[in-house]
Amino acid sequence: NAGVTQTPKFQVLKTGQSMTLQCAQDMNHEYMSWYRQDPGMGLRLIHYSVGAGITDQGEVPNGYNVSRSTTEDFPLRLLSAAPSQTSVYFCASSSNPGRGTEAFFGQGTRLTVV
Amino acid sequence: DAKTTQPPSMDCAEGRAANLPCNHSTISGNEYVYWYRQIHSQGPQYIIHGLKNNETNEMASLIITEDRKSSTLILPHATLRDTAVYYCIVRVPQRGDQKLVFGQGTRLTINP
Repeated sequence: NAGVTQTPKFQVLKTGQSMTLQCAQDMNHEYMSWYRQDPGMGLRLIHYSVGAGITDQGEVPNGYNVSRSTTEDFPLRLLSAAPSQTSVYFCASSSNPGRGTEAFFGQGTRLTVV
Repeated sequence: DAKTTQPPSMDCAEGRAANLPCNHSTISGNEYVYWYRQIHSQGPQYIIHGLKNNETNEMASLIITEDRKSSTLILPHATLRDTAVYYCIVRVPQRGDQKLVFGQGTRLTINP
């Protein structure tokens, strides 16, 4: 059971470039989300999805787009990368947070924007 | 979600029980206490959660005081692999709200 898989693990971008961070889960979870973690800080929610075709903004959504065309996949798009988006990005999924279930996290994508 | 307070760091000897405290004095009646940990920049890992009663699973035990204003995560026989940052999170689990607010956590170091 792979759980939550994020690709790539590492990425270097130039300012102004765009890219997509991939996230896939094989647990048939309805809920998926993206967080970013900056050095010495906790995780901050970027966007989340409560099911295929439904997404919403989190705490720090600016500069990022998401879509959810399937239950399994929840890609995060950086439209025009900026140095302030240098961070570690984590994707998470859960079956039904309304019942107090836990979130499963991927291993992260370490992004550097130069 | 209620605010939580944790000590910034703790040490524990390998093989001993590690007791990590969390204060959540403003917790409301329908808020759960969750614990996650993050081992050296890996993705956070769920440990345990509870509402009122003490909980135990294969990883840890969670002791919640009767007034629910504080809790303790217990790792019964700590190993070097338990060295990590431990996060105590208080929230109401509900559909459409996935936000987990990770504070600074407690950096637990297990010493040989």
